[in-house]
Amino acid sequence: GQNIDQPTEMTATEGAIVQINCTYQTSGFNGLFWYQQHAGEAPTFLSYNVLDGLEEKGRFSSFLSRSKGYSYLLLKELQMKDSASYLCAVMDSNYQLIWGAGTKLIIKP
Amino acid sequence: ETGVTQTPRHLVMGMTNKKSLKCEQHLGHNAMYWYKQSAKKPLELMFVYSLEERVENNSVPSRFSPECPNSSHLFLHLHTLQPEDSALYLCASSQVPGGGTGNTIYFGEGSWLTVV
Repeated sequence: GQNIDQPTEMTATEGAIVQINCTYQTSGFNGLFWYQQHAGEAPTFLSYNVLDGLEEKGRFSSFLSRSKGYSYLLLKELQMKDSASYLCAVMDSNYQLIWGAGTKLIIKP
Repeated sequence: ETGVTQTPRHLVMGMTNKKSLKCEQHLGHNAMYWYKQSAKKPLELMFVYSLEERVENNSVPSRFSPECPNSSHLFLHLHTLQPEDSALYLCASSQVPGGGTGNTIYFGEGSWLTVV
């Protein structure tokens, strides 16, 4: 079966760095997405990786290793507003999105 | 403003009621989706429409009935729901239904449904 694994919850301190991991087992691969979802709000697109390596976008970076079935989202200089759930999703060979259950990130002062 | 708007944001309904969720996208996209989001579970794809034609129905019970009158509007008609159907229902849109790399899905803010 197809599966996306990510930690259920993480806690980090304001100003610090946190890495949220995502491992996947899917039928084929056509890209990996990260979304941010604040409580009670819509998931919003953060990043898309289809080739191995690191994609940097301001304080957020996303890394992909296709051979390992692994990605991470790196958040630097954490701010209180970064408290949210982070969803990992993989597009399989049929261009269907397979979603993880999300990682709830709690930022403490 | 996400470009995808959903109404109502909150809905409480009895098991014998009939209600509808509405979604409108202002992005000029050709594909629209209904997802169900339950606590601590992955997003569940319910229906996919491409150019007003249903292209996917993921074994959703018939008490959920979608309708897509045009490429900008999507409805989810609800009747005789069960308490376990209580969840956040997310509408989304994309340029095309899958079918290409970098095809980002844009979500609405969701409709919180409580079945009593």
